[in-house]
Amino acid sequence: GAGVSQTPSNKVTEKGKYVELRCDPISGHTALYWYRQSLGQGPEFLIYFQGTGAADDSGLPNDRFFAVRPEGSVSTLKIQRTERGDSAVYLCASSLTPRGTGNTIYFGEGSWLTVV
Amino acid sequence: SQQGEEDPQALSIQEGENATMNCSYKTSINNLQWYRQNSGRGLVHLILIRSNEREKHSGRLRVTLDTSKKSSSLLITASRAADTASYFCATAGGGNKLTFGTGTQLKVEL
Repeated sequence: GAGVSQTPSNKVTEKGKYVELRCDPISGHTALYWYRQSLGQGPEFLIYFQGTGAADDSGLPNDRFFAVRPEGSVSTLKIQRTERGDSAVYLCASSLTPRGTGNTIYFGEGSWLTVV
Repeated sequence: SQQGEEDPQALSIQEGENATMNCSYKTSINNLQWYRQNSGRGLVHLILIRSNEREKHSGRLRVTLDTSKKSSSLLITASRAADTASYFCATAGGGNKLTFGTGTQLKVEL
């Protein structure tokens, strides 16, 4: 597609429920990133995929968070047993390649998750 | 964790004035990127400057990078009301993973 697409744009869920957030990167981009942004803060890195594999998942806060990218394109961020502290905007981004010194990273509009 | 910090945290200017935002970071980088964000959604890429570059221009934007001081600045000339947004710097290390600063909230008043 023309840009990074994320669904849903807004999700309200009850504490303890399971949530999936979807990201469709720019066509041909091999690198895909997930970030989380709380109100008044800058985005914080969660996980980065190169192709199908998670190259760096050091930002995932705990084992309730998991992400997959089975065919190297669309990715799904999965959150189990959601907590109120998980409420944030979840941003997905992609870039043509992960390496080099000048690869622009393009962001989607984000999925706003509210846990009540 | 946040890599760096933007200064000031908030900036209010009149339309037509120039706006300058500064960013400091902590570790060595491959490149530094500036993004704009409206209403807490959708980061828009503005400009990328590589670690071996000192200055870059794009339209009304001018970015400088001083790797010895681990700092960068973003200058928006002849600001417009539509420039009102939050501005973030982000640094990229070896894996191109971006680490963001805390952001500057710019308000341009008519």
